[in-house]
Amino acid sequence: SQQGEEDPQALSIQEGENATMNCSYKTSINNLQWYRQNSGRGLVHLILIRSNEREKHSGRLRVTLDTSKKSSSLLITASRAADTASYFCATDEGGSYIPTFGRGTSLIVHP
Amino acid sequence: NAGVMQNPRHLVRRRGQEARLRCSPMKGHSHVYWYRQLPEEGLKFMVYLQKENIIDESGMPKERFSAEFPKEGPSILRIQQVVRGDSAAYFCASSPRATINTGELFFGEGSRLTVL
Repeated sequence: SQQGEEDPQALSIQEGENATMNCSYKTSINNLQWYRQNSGRGLVHLILIRSNEREKHSGRLRVTLDTSKKSSSLLITASRAADTASYFCATDEGGSYIPTFGRGTSLIVHP
Repeated sequence: NAGVMQNPRHLVRRRGQEARLRCSPMKGHSHVYWYRQLPEEGLKFMVYLQKENIIDESGMPKERFSAEFPKEGPSILRIQQVVRGDSAAYFCASSPRATINTGELFFGEGSRLTVL
């Protein structure tokens, strides 16, 4: 089944820097979501962008979607040590009802 | 409004035993999804249920695994005759309606199964 693939697999930055993660997918989608997972915890929904949207903001998060390239990016501005977590994109093929997840990007923000 | 509740959080079983994982969705949510996560990997879909119905079990192994979501009570993921390869974190997520309409899933904290 279709699966979003995140890139890079791991990202290490200093506090205050911006972090950018990318997600690519294979076929058409209804929407794309980004989730965050702290170590040993469940996933928390961050933001959803629909296929007819190009950009969305939520606080320090900015998500873009390029359906022609079948890719999305998640930008975290002015990162904090508390942003250290794994970030996953989830996609659903057109007509599907099951979000499928990629392997995630592991982000470490050094204080 | 309590979130998705999973129990047990940690479960240790010996090979050949049975594991039962429970999930109580958020209040008002009638759609439940089970995912499995291996270390350093993403979540793999297992099964999607609505009250009393299995909608999609395409991600669930045909043998030893079963799931239910009865009219009353939590959703149960049951693994019979566990093997070491079943060791993983099992996550339950719920939504108020089909995610094709809303997208967002609400996750529990997971049940971590260790098979000795």
